[in-house]
Amino acid sequence: KAGVTQTPRYLIKTRGQQVTLSCSPISGHRSVSWYQQTPGQGLQFLFEYFSETQRNKGNFPGRFSGRQFSNSRSEMNVSTLELGDSALYLCASSLAGKDEQYFGPGTRLTVT
Amino acid sequence: AQSVAQPEDQVNVAEGNPLTVKCTYSVSGNPYLFWYVQYPNRGLQFLLKYITGDNLVKGSYGFEAEFNKSQTSFHLKKPSALVSDSALYFCAVRDHASGGSYIPTFGRGTSLIVHP
Repeated sequence: KAGVTQTPRYLIKTRGQQVTLSCSPISGHRSVSWYQQTPGQGLQFLFEYFSETQRNKGNFPGRFSGRQFSNSRSEMNVSTLELGDSALYLCASSLAGKDEQYFGPGTRLTVT
Repeated sequence: AQSVAQPEDQVNVAEGNPLTVKCTYSVSGNPYLFWYVQYPNRGLQFLLKYITGDNLVKGSYGFEAEFNKSQTSFHLKKPSALVSDSALYFCAVRDHASGGSYIPTFGRGTSLIVHP
């Protein structure tokens, strides 16, 4: 089975721009979660989608949003980028009702 | 509420020696505990989990973890470290009474460095 894929792997944006990141989960996995990883804050939960519905949301401002499509693929969007949004954004998928999460390689976002 | 602490930012060990990466947790109900490993430029990989049962859990790559309820700890161990074990290790916890949410809380990570 193919693993979780994320595109693009690297991205450089300017303050004030917006960005969209994409995640394709493992086939059959309907739950997709997004995390932000930074050296200072560690791994912070952004949101989780299941069957096209946002099921859980972390403590991030409204500039961060996401969605999930009927094929379970997910996107997250960050609007009005700030320097502090520079981070590795990780996507993880899991089977319904299962705890083990399978992570993608991440998208490294740099905001200048 | 659920939280997890990894008290060491970095652990150094010589190849062939035993290693321990520490983790303590706090939950209001029963804990589900996990360890993940992250190699450079990669996502996290699942190593092992504790749900219930035997306090010693065996996982991938020769790692094991010991659940200690009285000390609210879940330390990761390996009898003989390899240089290739050098990576960032994350402990995570989920409260069994989390209202249907399967989202764990992750620790800040511990960098393991194994010296040849």
